[in-house]
Amino acid sequence: DAKTTQPNSMESNEEEPVHLPCNHSTISGTDYIHWYRQLPSQGPEYVIHGLTSNVNNRMASLAIAEDRKSSTLILHRATLRDAAVYYCILRDVGKAAGNKLTFGGGTRVLVKP
Amino acid sequence: AAGVIQSPRHLIKEKRETATLKCYPIPRHDTVYWYQQGPGQDPQFLISFYEKMQSDKGSIPDRFSAQQFSDYHSELNMSSLELGDSALYFCASSLQGGRAGEQYFGPGTRLTVT
Repeated sequence: DAKTTQPNSMESNEEEPVHLPCNHSTISGTDYIHWYRQLPSQGPEYVIHGLTSNVNNRMASLAIAEDRKSSTLILHRATLRDAAVYYCILRDVGKAAGNKLTFGGGTRVLVKP
Repeated sequence: AAGVIQSPRHLIKEKRETATLKCYPIPRHDTVYWYQQGPGQDPQFLISFYEKMQSDKGSIPDRFSAQQFSDYHSELNMSSLELGDSALYFCASSLQGGRAGEQYFGPGTRLTVT
């Protein structure tokens, strides 16, 4: 499976944007880029995913490099509730149904009031 | 909106006992996944089922077994429990096999083995 690399931690001030980078230099053509987050004492939560084009939803934006070897999750205005571990995960759409998410090396985001 | 339901939320067992964890997916979701998260660790995939058939398998011990029933709920059976099995167990569900789509996670079952 293609691997991702993220910084261990990032700090942000409340109401400021947060840019979370992810490197995935060995990404394949059928890999979707997924972002999940895990708040303290909760199950992981889907944030956003994309293949080639930038994506926006109510939670965040996903900017994907033209060569797809890196991406950036953007939280437009961080709140204290955004403090969590953020995981960048590649999922091969070509694999059989029910294929897993591989969590590892996420970024712990700290939001300061 | 309905979410993934897991029961029980907390479970305390002794070594060598058996435990059964249950997962009720979001209505109309046909795929269920099980993950284990030890203290201070990232979630690790155990096993998944699509349309009641096992579809993917991770590092699930032979002491563990799971199945998905006709109503799409799933159960994770754990036998000969060891101290190292103490962890949070998350169930997730998705639609249409989850191909490229999101998984929705439940609140987890915290298993403590003493």
